[in-house]
Amino acid sequence: NAGVTQTPKFRVLKTGQSMTLLCAQDMNHEYMYWYRQDPGMGLRLIHYSVGEGTTAKGEVPDGYNVSRLKKQNFLLGLESAAPSQTSVYFCASSWTDYGYTFGSGTRLTVV
Amino acid sequence: DQQVKQNSPSLSVQEGRISILNCDYTNSMFDYFLWYKKYPAEGPTFLISISSIKDKNEDGRFTVFLNKSAKHLSLHIVPSQPGDSAVYFCAASGGSGNTGKLIFGQGTTLQVKP
Repeated sequence: NAGVTQTPKFRVLKTGQSMTLLCAQDMNHEYMYWYRQDPGMGLRLIHYSVGEGTTAKGEVPDGYNVSRLKKQNFLLGLESAAPSQTSVYFCASSWTDYGYTFGSGTRLTVV
Repeated sequence: DQQVKQNSPSLSVQEGRISILNCDYTNSMFDYFLWYKKYPAEGPTFLISISSIKDKNEDGRFTVFLNKSAKHLSLHIVPSQPGDSAVYFCAASGGSGNTGKLIFGQGTTLQVKP
């Protein structure tokens, strides 16, 4: 049982490049989330989805886009990476409220 | 505006003693509170939770206390063990428009010394 899988685990981007982070869950969860973790800031919600085909903005959505075309996948896109987007990104999923299962994270560095 | 605050970035405790991690919140609509534990290079994992209708929840060495009037919760670990060394995040949920979303604090790094 894989739970929540994030790919890639590490990535270095140049400013202005684009990339997509993939999150896949095999628990048939309805809700999925993307967070970023920064020193002294904790975990901040970027975007989330309450079901297939739906997305919504979180606390810090600027510079990111998401898609939930399939229930098991939640993609986070950076169209034009900036150094301020250097962070550790975590995906999570849940049935409804509470009880998140997190992935192991993607460490992104933008130079 | 930080709705969930953990004002202590770090805490160091001797093995066998009690660890107390604190968390404050500002939104009175929050009705469910959780603690997550995070080791380096891993995602956070659920530790313990409490509903706003309770003031205490216990699970083995871990106890969470909730003081609604003070908008304060705390996590007690007794006795502390070196394996408890990790970052602890408190989180809150509830209120209109907050479906399924957890708001996290900044985290407290606990170090348990042998």
